[in-house]
Amino acid sequence: QKEVEQNSGPLSVPEGAIASLNCTYSDRGSQSFFWYRQYSGKSPELIMFIYSNGDKEDGRFTAQLNKASQYVSLLIRDSQPSDSATYLCAVNAGGSYIPTFGRGTSLIVHP
Amino acid sequence: EPEVTQTPSHQVTQMGQEVILRCVPISNHLYFYWYRQILGQKVEFLVSFYNNEISEKSEIFDDQFSVERPDGSNFTLKIRSTKLEDSAMYFCASSIAPAGELFFGEGSRLTVL
Repeated sequence: QKEVEQNSGPLSVPEGAIASLNCTYSDRGSQSFFWYRQYSGKSPELIMFIYSNGDKEDGRFTAQLNKASQYVSLLIRDSQPSDSATYLCAVNAGGSYIPTFGRGTSLIVHP
Repeated sequence: EPEVTQTPSHQVTQMGQEVILRCVPISNHLYFYWYRQILGQKVEFLVSFYNNEISEKSEIFDDQFSVERPDGSNFTLKIRSTKLEDSAMYFCASSIAPAGELFFGEGSRLTVL
């Protein structure tokens, strides 16, 4: 059973702060890791993907992957109210190209 | 910017009725997916489709469900006899490569009464 676990939140941060979102996964053979953002009533949209251990930065977003500890995280710097959404972690287990989604973490950025 | 389009955006049906949800994936994408999301719950994989056949399916995708690519552009999900628990948002997605980024449509909300 491939499990992707996220704290449902909500995570509340003030505008301008760093938001840290975490995700753990059960399949040690997982190869591909994605962060999607989902606004209420909307479809998921990709923010970042990461395949290798370490950090990957894209603008205000940084994805961090630690395969030994089986976790992936997303940091959002200089958080804005428009970042308020649910952030979904998705993981492709080894041998599969089907992403399994976590339940998502609700982020609230308050002015 | 190319996008995945889905119709209808919302469908209300009676229990036991057949429903067809339609999707037009991005034109140069080769891998197609259906996911569903029951209100307040996580996005769940239903089925993937590649080269005109199902490549993977989940336990949710039982005999009541079927998918088809009737022509070069449309990708459909059929639910033969809807149940109350089929009420959900159904998302179509496509990707250009396996294990790559999924591009989602806006979803079709299905309400079964």
